[in-house]
Amino acid sequence: DADVTQTPRNRITKTGKRIMLECSQTKGHDRMYWYRQDPGLGLRLIYYSFDVKDINKGEISDGYSVSRQAQAKFSLSLESAIPNQTALYFCATRGEGSTEAFFGQGTRLTVV
Amino acid sequence: AQSVTQLDSQVPVFEEAPVELRCNYSSSVSVYLFWYVQYPNQGLQLLLKYLSGSTLVESINGFEAEFNKSQTSFHLRKPSVHISDTAEYFCAVSDQTGGYNKLIFGAGTRLAVHP
Repeated sequence: DADVTQTPRNRITKTGKRIMLECSQTKGHDRMYWYRQDPGLGLRLIYYSFDVKDINKGEISDGYSVSRQAQAKFSLSLESAIPNQTALYFCATRGEGSTEAFFGQGTRLTVV
Repeated sequence: AQSVTQLDSQVPVFEEAPVELRCNYSSSVSVYLFWYVQYPNQGLQLLLKYLSGSTLVESINGFEAEFNKSQTSFHLRKPSVHISDTAEYFCAVSDQTGGYNKLIFGAGTRLAVHP
C-alpha cells in the first residue's frame, strides 16, 4: 500500500458542485500539504498544515478550504467548483526534522 | 520569499547523449534545494537534494546537480540518458528557517529521450 493515498484518483464534476479530495498517510508525519499542478506552472501550494490545530493558506487558497481531521488525514474541498480549478492535485507529507516530502499519486479533477 | 525558475520547458535529447536541465532560484534566506521527478501518470519522487556540505550531489540513477551559490543555480546533469529517463523534472527550494519547510517549485522541464 502507498504511504500517501489520495482519493479519488480521477473525478469529473459540474460547475457549482461541492467536491472533496481526500488524503491519508501512514508515515506518521505531522506536516501535510496540498498542491495543484497545471501545465507550464509547476506545482503551487494551496494549503498546508503543521498539525490538526494548525491550518495555513498557501499562494493560491482562494476557492478552496481544507480540514485536518486527524494527523493522518487532510482533505481539500472546493465549495463551488469552477472550470479553472481543473487540474492535477497532489497531497504531500513531511516529517519533523526531515527535508524530504512524500507525494501521493495525485487526483485529476475536471470541472465541466 | 523564494522563487524558482526552470529555464527550459522542454528538452528533447537522443538516447546516450548528455543532458543539462537548468534551475535558478532567488531567496533572501538560506535554502535547501531539490530535484523531483514525475514519471507519466505518477506522483513526484525525490531525485536528489542539497542541504549543505559538498556542492555536488548525486542520485542513484546517474543524475548529478551542482549548487552554485554565486549564480544561485542548481542545474541537473546526466552524462548519458536512457529512454527510461523520459519524465518531467521539477526543481524546488525550501527555506531553512521555521518549521513549515514549504516546498516552492519551478514550472518543470519535460525531458523527452528519443531512440
